[in-house]
Amino acid sequence: AQSVAQPEDQVNVAEGNPLTVKCTYSVSGNPYLFWYVQYPNRGLQFLLKYITGDNLVKGSYGFEAEFNKSQTSFHLKKPSALVSDSALYFCAVRDMGRDDKIIFGKGTRLHILP
Amino acid sequence: KAGVTQTPRYLIKTRGQQVTLSCSPISGHRSVSWYQQTPGQGLQFLFEYFSETQRNKGNFPGRFSGRQFSNSRSEMNVSTLELGDSALYLCASSDGDRINYGYTFGSGTRLTVV
Repeated sequence: AQSVAQPEDQVNVAEGNPLTVKCTYSVSGNPYLFWYVQYPNRGLQFLLKYITGDNLVKGSYGFEAEFNKSQTSFHLKKPSALVSDSALYFCAVRDMGRDDKIIFGKGTRLHILP
Repeated sequence: KAGVTQTPRYLIKTRGQQVTLSCSPISGHRSVSWYQQTPGQGLQFLFEYFSETQRNKGNFPGRFSGRQFSNSRSEMNVSTLELGDSALYLCASSDGDRINYGYTFGSGTRLTVV
């Protein structure tokens, strides 16, 4: 079965520094990967996706993610963090097994320190 | 274009009661998926409806059920509520395109069972 793991419950980064939120996945076949962000008391917002093509995917709000097939990773990155980036980030993978659905990681809370 | 609307935003119920949550997807979207979000388990997939038919189902007990109407609005019902059902219930709509799978989430219904 497909799965996705976010090894860090929380990441702290100083404002202006680059940030990375880690995600690893396990799939059979070609992966369909996503990143979502959740702000307090809100639903999830789509940031970006990887289906095929370039390994570096650009998304909303200046975020990008790097797909690495050999390391089965899909880390979310941003060159310069903003305090407003503080939120809960979810990595997700499409599970195309018996039930075609999207599976989410447990989330990583990102704190940007002013 | 209106987003995904979930009602009510907050609910408090007593153990043993039943509850119905509503989700109106983005106009034109025929797929509605439901997720349960808790701090310990993250997002757990409940089920997906497409054109009034349940297309996928997660590993939840039969107390959790849903349906979709001809206008794509969906309802989720939980019977015989338990304390552990307290969670944020998120609805996600998509155009049902399984290749270009992207979700738009509602803000959720926060259910508290006392």
